[in-house]
Amino acid sequence: GAGVSQSPSNKVTEKGKDVELRCDPISGHTALYWYRQSLGQGLEFLIYFQGNSAPDKSGLPSDRFSAERTGGSVSTLTIQRTQQEDSAVYLCASSKWTGPNAFFGQGTRLTVV
Amino acid sequence: AQSVTQLGSHVSVSEGALVLLRCNYSSSVPPYLFWYVQYPNQGLQLLLKYTTGATLVKGINGFEAEFKKSETSFHLTKPSAHMSDAAEYFCAVRSNTGTASKLTFGTGTRLQVTL
Repeated sequence: GAGVSQSPSNKVTEKGKDVELRCDPISGHTALYWYRQSLGQGLEFLIYFQGNSAPDKSGLPSDRFSAERTGGSVSTLTIQRTQQEDSAVYLCASSKWTGPNAFFGQGTRLTVV
Repeated sequence: AQSVTQLGSHVSVSEGALVLLRCNYSSSVPPYLFWYVQYPNQGLQLLLKYTTGATLVKGINGFEAEFKKSETSFHLTKPSAHMSDAAEYFCAVRSNTGTASKLTFGTGTRLQVTL
Protein backbone atom coordinates (compact mmCIF):
# COMPACT_ATOMS: atom_id res chain seq x y z
CA GLY A 1 0.00 0.00 0.00
CA ALA A 2 0.90 3.65 -0.18
CA GLY A 3 1.52 3.96 3.54
CA VAL A 4 1.55 1.99 6.76
CA SER A 5 -1.99 1.06 7.68
CA GLN A 6 -3.09 0.23 11.23
CA SER A 7 -6.40 -1.07 12.43
CA PRO A 8 -8.48 -0.40 14.33
CA SER A 9 -7.78 3.29 14.78
CA ASN A 10 -9.47 3.20 18.16
CA LYS A 11 -10.19 0.32 20.49
CA VAL A 12 -11.95 0.37 23.83
CA THR A 13 -11.80 -2.85 25.77
CA GLU A 14 -12.65 -4.07 29.22
CA LYS A 15 -9.93 -4.93 31.66
CA GLY A 16 -9.01 -8.59 31.39
CA LYS A 17 -9.99 -8.99 27.73
CA ASP A 18 -7.56 -9.84 24.94
CA VAL A 19 -7.00 -7.43 22.04
CA GLU A 20 -5.36 -7.72 18.64
CA LEU A 21 -3.88 -4.76 16.82
CA ARG A 22 -3.03 -5.02 13.16
CA CYS A 23 -0.32 -3.39 11.06
CA ASP A 24 -0.07 -3.54 7.28
CA PRO A 25 3.36 -2.20 6.24
CA ILE A 26 4.40 -0.50 3.04
CA SER A 27 4.74 -3.02 0.24
CA GLY A 28 8.32 -4.23 -0.08
CA HIS A 29 9.37 -3.15 3.41
CA THR A 30 10.96 -6.11 5.14
CA ALA A 31 11.50 -4.43 8.51
CA LEU A 32 8.54 -3.74 10.80
CA TYR A 33 8.52 -2.10 14.22
CA TRP A 34 6.00 -1.69 17.01
CA TYR A 35 6.16 1.22 19.45
CA ARG A 36 3.95 2.33 22.30
CA GLN A 37 3.26 5.96 23.08
CA SER A 38 1.76 6.81 26.43
CA LEU A 39 1.56 9.93 28.53
CA GLY A 40 4.69 10.43 30.49
CA GLN A 41 6.49 7.52 28.82
CA GLY A 42 7.28 8.90 25.41
CA LEU A 43 7.81 6.47 22.57
CA GLU A 44 8.75 3.01 23.79
CA PHE A 45 10.15 0.39 21.45
CA LEU A 46 8.32 -2.93 21.73
CA ILE A 47 9.49 -5.32 19.02
CA TYR A 48 11.14 -5.39 15.63
CA PHE A 49 10.66 -7.85 12.79
CA GLN A 50 12.93 -8.67 9.91
CA GLY A 51 10.76 -10.68 7.58
CA ASN A 52 8.78 -13.06 9.79
CA SER A 53 11.38 -13.32 12.54
CA ALA A 54 11.82 -10.99 15.49
CA PRO A 55 15.51 -10.43 16.21
CA ASP A 56 14.70 -7.85 18.86
CA LYS A 57 11.73 -8.23 21.18
CA SER A 58 13.45 -6.62 24.11
CA GLY A 59 10.81 -3.94 24.58
CA LEU A 60 7.80 -6.19 25.19
CA PRO A 61 6.79 -5.19 28.74
CA SER A 62 5.44 -8.55 29.89
CA ASP A 63 4.50 -12.01 28.69
CA ARG A 64 0.98 -10.72 28.11
CA PHE A 65 2.33 -9.03 25.00
CA SER A 66 3.15 -10.98 21.86
CA ALA A 67 3.46 -10.24 18.18
CA GLU A 68 3.70 -12.18 15.00
CA ARG A 69 4.23 -11.45 11.35
CA THR A 70 3.15 -13.66 8.52
CA GLY A 71 4.18 -13.71 4.88
CA GLY A 72 6.70 -10.97 5.59
CA SER A 73 3.84 -8.52 5.54
CA VAL A 74 1.00 -8.03 8.03
CA SER A 75 1.81 -8.04 11.72
CA THR A 76 -0.47 -8.52 14.70
CA LEU A 77 0.28 -7.31 18.20
CA THR A 78 -1.71 -9.21 20.82
CA ILE A 79 -2.22 -8.10 24.37
CA GLN A 80 -3.74 -10.70 26.67
CA ARG A 81 -5.64 -9.96 29.85
CA THR A 82 -5.44 -6.23 29.27
CA GLN A 83 -4.74 -3.91 32.18
CA GLN A 84 -5.45 -0.21 32.52
CA GLU A 85 -1.75 0.58 32.22
CA ASP A 86 -1.86 -0.88 28.70
CA SER A 87 -3.89 2.15 27.59
CA ALA A 88 -1.74 3.95 25.03
CA VAL A 89 -1.32 4.63 21.34
CA TYR A 90 0.36 1.72 19.59
CA LEU A 91 2.36 2.79 16.57
CA CYS A 92 3.67 0.60 13.80
CA ALA A 93 6.45 1.53 11.38
CA SER A 94 8.13 -0.15 8.45
CA SER A 95 11.33 0.32 6.51
CA LYS A 96 13.40 -1.27 3.80
CA TRP A 97 16.07 -3.61 5.12
CA THR A 98 18.88 -1.38 4.01
CA GLY A 99 17.12 1.97 4.10
CA PRO A 100 17.37 4.39 7.01
CA ASN A 101 13.82 5.74 6.80
CA ALA A 102 11.07 4.31 8.97
CA PHE A 103 7.52 5.27 8.01
CA PHE A 104 4.86 5.31 10.68
CA GLY A 105 1.19 4.47 10.63
CA GLN A 106 -1.48 6.60 12.29
CA GLY A 107 -1.56 4.37 15.34
CA THR A 108 -4.19 2.49 17.30
CA ARG A 109 -5.47 4.23 20.40
CA LEU A 110 -6.19 1.55 22.99
CA THR A 111 -8.29 2.40 26.02
CA VAL A 112 -8.73 -0.21 28.75
CA VAL A 113 -11.69 0.49 31.01
CA ALA B 1 23.45 1.30 23.60
CA GLN B 2 21.90 4.49 22.30
CA SER B 3 19.98 7.31 23.90
CA VAL B 4 18.54 10.69 23.01
CA THR B 5 18.04 13.71 25.22
CA GLN B 6 15.74 16.52 24.17
CA LEU B 7 16.16 19.62 26.28
CA GLY B 8 12.88 21.31 27.01
CA SER B 9 9.61 19.41 26.96
CA HIS B 10 7.80 22.61 25.97
CA VAL B 11 9.06 25.45 23.81
CA SER B 12 7.04 28.57 23.01
CA VAL B 13 7.95 31.01 20.27
CA SER B 14 6.22 33.92 18.59
CA GLU B 15 5.13 33.63 15.01
CA GLY B 16 8.03 34.72 12.81
CA ALA B 17 10.65 34.01 15.47
CA LEU B 18 13.48 31.50 15.27
CA VAL B 19 12.67 27.94 16.27
CA LEU B 20 15.43 25.98 18.03
CA LEU B 21 14.73 22.51 19.39
CA ARG B 22 17.65 20.81 21.05
CA CYS B 23 18.71 17.19 20.71
CA ASN B 24 21.77 15.43 22.06
CA TYR B 25 22.47 11.78 21.46
CA SER B 26 24.66 9.01 22.74
CA SER B 27 25.74 6.19 20.49
CA SER B 28 28.61 3.70 20.56
CA VAL B 29 28.47 3.34 16.78
CA PRO B 30 28.06 5.90 14.00
CA PRO B 31 24.48 7.08 14.14
CA TYR B 32 21.69 7.85 11.82
CA LEU B 33 19.75 10.80 13.26
CA PHE B 34 16.17 11.82 12.64
CA TRP B 35 13.61 14.43 13.49
CA TYR B 36 9.95 13.46 13.38
CA VAL B 37 6.90 15.68 13.84
CA GLN B 38 3.59 14.58 15.30
CA TYR B 39 0.42 16.62 14.90
CA PRO B 40 -2.50 15.93 17.26
CA ASN B 41 -4.03 12.49 16.77
CA GLN B 42 -1.64 11.71 13.95
CA GLY B 43 1.26 9.34 13.44
CA LEU B 44 4.86 10.46 13.15
CA GLN B 45 6.04 12.21 10.00
CA LEU B 46 9.71 12.33 9.04
CA LEU B 47 10.99 15.91 8.94
CA LEU B 48 14.61 15.23 8.07
CA LYS B 49 17.44 12.81 8.59
CA TYR B 50 21.21 12.65 8.75
CA THR B 51 22.88 9.54 7.40
CA THR B 52 26.29 10.38 5.97
CA GLY B 53 27.89 13.24 4.09
CA ALA B 54 26.79 16.83 4.53
CA THR B 55 26.25 17.62 8.18
CA LEU B 56 23.66 20.33 7.54
CA VAL B 57 20.48 18.66 6.39
CA LYS B 58 17.35 20.31 5.13
CA GLY B 59 13.91 18.89 5.57
CA ILE B 60 10.33 19.68 4.87
CA ASN B 61 8.47 22.81 5.92
CA GLY B 62 11.65 24.91 6.06
CA PHE B 63 13.29 22.97 8.90
CA GLU B 64 16.95 22.07 9.01
CA ALA B 65 19.33 20.42 11.43
CA GLU B 66 23.08 20.22 11.81
CA PHE B 67 24.94 17.11 12.90
CA LYS B 68 27.82 18.07 15.20
CA LYS B 69 29.79 15.00 16.11
CA SER B 70 32.05 16.83 18.55
CA GLU B 71 29.02 18.04 20.50
CA THR B 72 26.93 14.88 19.90
CA SER B 73 24.12 17.19 18.90
CA PHE B 74 21.49 17.36 16.20
CA HIS B 75 19.50 20.51 16.92
CA LEU B 76 16.49 21.39 14.79
CA THR B 77 16.00 24.95 13.57
CA LYS B 78 13.65 27.01 11.47
CA PRO B 79 14.32 30.70 10.79
CA SER B 80 10.71 31.85 11.05
CA ALA B 81 7.98 30.01 12.94
CA HIS B 82 4.52 29.62 11.51
CA MET B 83 1.35 28.83 13.41
CA SER B 84 1.13 25.54 11.52
CA ASP B 85 4.44 24.43 13.10
CA ALA B 86 2.72 23.88 16.44
CA ALA B 87 3.17 20.16 17.10
CA GLU B 88 5.30 17.70 19.03
CA TYR B 89 8.79 17.03 17.74
CA PHE B 90 10.83 13.91 18.37
CA CYS B 91 14.51 13.37 17.83
CA ALA B 92 15.61 9.78 17.20
CA VAL B 93 18.79 7.80 16.69
CA ARG B 94 19.54 4.42 15.20
CA SER B 95 22.70 2.55 14.34
CA ASN B 96 24.41 3.25 11.04
CA THR B 97 25.20 -0.36 10.29
CA GLY B 98 23.72 -0.52 6.83
CA THR B 99 20.77 -2.65 7.84
CA ALA B 100 17.52 -1.97 9.62
CA SER B 101 17.49 -1.50 13.37
CA LYS B 102 15.23 0.07 15.95
CA LEU B 103 14.89 3.80 16.48
CA THR B 104 15.48 5.17 19.94
CA PHE B 105 13.47 8.32 20.58
CA GLY B 106 13.80 11.29 22.85
CA THR B 107 10.89 12.25 25.06
CA GLY B 108 9.68 14.90 22.66
CA THR B 109 9.37 18.69 22.64
CA ARG B 110 6.00 20.33 22.27
CA LEU B 111 6.30 23.49 20.21
CA GLN B 112 3.77 26.25 20.79
CA VAL B 113 3.59 29.18 18.36
CA THR B 114 1.92 32.35 19.55
CA LEU B 115 0.75 35.45 17.72
